[in-house]
Amino acid sequence: SQQGEEDPQALSIQEGENATMNCSYKTSINNLQWYRQNSGRGLVHLILIRSNEREKHSGRLRVTLDTSKKSSSLLITASRAADTASYFCATGVYYGNKLVFGAGTILRVKS
Amino acid sequence: ETGVTQSPTHLIKTRGQQVTLRCSSQSGHNTVSWYQQALGQGPQFIFQYYREEENGRGNFPPRFSGLQFPNYSSELNVNALELDDSALYLCASSRDSESYEQYFGPGTRLTVT
Repeated sequence: SQQGEEDPQALSIQEGENATMNCSYKTSINNLQWYRQNSGRGLVHLILIRSNEREKHSGRLRVTLDTSKKSSSLLITASRAADTASYFCATGVYYGNKLVFGAGTILRVKS
Repeated sequence: ETGVTQSPTHLIKTRGQQVTLRCSSQSGHNTVSWYQQALGQGPQFIFQYYREEENGRGNFPPRFSGLQFPNYSSELNVNALELDDSALYLCASSRDSESYEQYFGPGTRLTVT
């Protein structure tokens, strides 16, 4: 079963706009990660945020984590056509690194 | 590129058959995890191998089995294939069983007819 739920399921924006995706999860976590997947291929790790962190940046990516609400958001600023992909959040539990993924958000960036 | 390779890329099997999928982990990594991704869904954890031993299993039946070899490469075996086994099978390697970041291979697309 899926741990998290991403919202929205699909997002279509113009190049240059910002894209925000949200993720909610159910159980206590050690960390939360975001992955990108292009056209049903392998997953690419984007960013990891630990349970004691509230915000993290990496290039055009900004991730927030609210453990009290069991939710996270991924912001991609100044989006590009190459950002078109599916984005998944995955939670890591304590004592081990097995990941539990959400169902993903499909992002389409139109040029 | 992550350095994790999987073979074959695509595979078509008939219901009831058996299949073996292979994964080579990234250099220096001793842990391999397998995930099943059905169309339109997120990956689901099948099991993990750490230093040749199974180190955790998801909600998959015993007909899903695996192996890890001394060089830390791994195999996923599925017996008595069912139509619902059609999916993208992903392996991910990590430095050890406690490392948070996982590096995924490109996947094997299995179609069961």
